[in-house]
Amino acid sequence: LAKTTQPISMDSYEGQEVNITCSHNNIATNDYITWYQQFPSQGPRFIIQGYKTKVTNEVASLFIPADRKSSTLSLPRVSLSDTAVYYCLVGDGNQGGKLIFGQGTELSVKP
Amino acid sequence: DTEVTQTPKHLVMGMTNKKSLKCEQHMGHRAMYWYKQKAKKPPELMFVYSYEKLSINESVPSRFSPECPNSSLLNLHLHALQPEDSALYLCASTNTRTVNGYTFGSGTRLTVV
Repeated sequence: LAKTTQPISMDSYEGQEVNITCSHNNIATNDYITWYQQFPSQGPRFIIQGYKTKVTNEVASLFIPADRKSSTLSLPRVSLSDTAVYYCLVGDGNQGGKLIFGQGTELSVKP
Repeated sequence: DTEVTQTPKHLVMGMTNKKSLKCEQHMGHRAMYWYKQKAKKPPELMFVYSYEKLSINESVPSRFSPECPNSSLLNLHLHALQPEDSALYLCASTNTRTVNGYTFGSGTRLTVV
């Protein structure tokens, strides 16, 4: 399973764009990259998933370079409610396969 | 229904008690998971069920016993737990490569006294 490395913590201010980069040097051909958000005492919540290039949805963008050894989650114009832990995971997404969490990035958004 | 429902939300049990955690989903997902999460740590995988059969056991102590009675329900039976087993227990489910990834429940906060 590909291991992921993320910054332990990041600070930002309301209204700023936040970019969180994840390294996954050993990503396999079949692996997808998925990001989750977790608030204290809640289950992780899916944010975005991608395989290559750029993916955008209503809450975030995911940038994946051609070599796929890293990915960047971009959160536009963060608010205080975006304060949470963000996890980057890689896996082939096969039903019944393992989903292993890395250490995550604790994002703190300040007024 | 797009949720994973876990009950109870909170549980306090003694070290000699037997209790069960319940997880339910009605999304037609055929893979279901149990995770354990300690404070300030990432979720740790415990068990995976695929098509109601146990496919992965991450060397979890036998005092934790999973059960999957049907495709919608996942239980975790607890017996003779230790205080260090106190944690948030999360259930998740998924289908193959869904664009929405894995769906997690809100968890059961377990305290062993």
